[in-house]
Amino acid sequence: NAGVTQTPKFRVLKTGQSMTLLCAQDMNHEYMYWYRQDPGMGLRLIHYSVGEGTTAKGEVPDGYNVSRLKKQNFLLGLESAAPSQTSVYFCASSLGGRLFFGSGTQLSVL
Amino acid sequence: SQQGEEDPQALSIQEGENATMNCSYKTSINNLQWYRQNSGRGLVHLILIRSNEREKHSGRLRVTLDTSKKSSSLLITASRAADTASYFCATTQGGSEKLVFGKGTKLTVNP
Repeated sequence: NAGVTQTPKFRVLKTGQSMTLLCAQDMNHEYMYWYRQDPGMGLRLIHYSVGEGTTAKGEVPDGYNVSRLKKQNFLLGLESAAPSQTSVYFCASSLGGRLFFGSGTQLSVL
Repeated sequence: SQQGEEDPQALSIQEGENATMNCSYKTSINNLQWYRQNSGRGLVHLILIRSNEREKHSGRLRVTLDTSKKSSSLLITASRAADTASYFCATTQGGSEKLVFGKGTKLTVNP
């Protein structure tokens, strides 16, 4: 089992560019999450999904969109990247309230 | 806003000593969890304690929960250099499936 896989691992964008981060899980979990981690801020929830076809906003959703077309995939999109979105992004899925994390995507917006 | 706040922000101890980290939260919870993050890696689940439990053990880990004080502590006994990591508490509230994290405690265990 691969668990939770995030792609890409690193990405550099210019301000205004768009991109999509992909999260895939092979554990058949219903719930999936996107967090961002900034120095000194801990993890902050961007969006989450409680099942295929559903999404909901977290603490810091502005500037991001998500889609959960398939149960195993949760996509995070940046339509027009800004320097404030420079961060490390973590995807997670959950079972019984316990989260399983991917290894993260380091995104820099110049 | 973040629900849990860990204390201290950083802790440096010698191998073999015990490490204690605390977490305080603001509103009633369903459960409280502790996670570990090694540098540059994703978070790994350590232990979950439910709101009706007061203490839980897992190997060298001991977690306590005091709902009257809205606080939890994580004790790592006989620490090892490999325990060097950041430790986060996280909580869920009401019927929500959202897990809200604190800012973490950075633990350094010196050989």
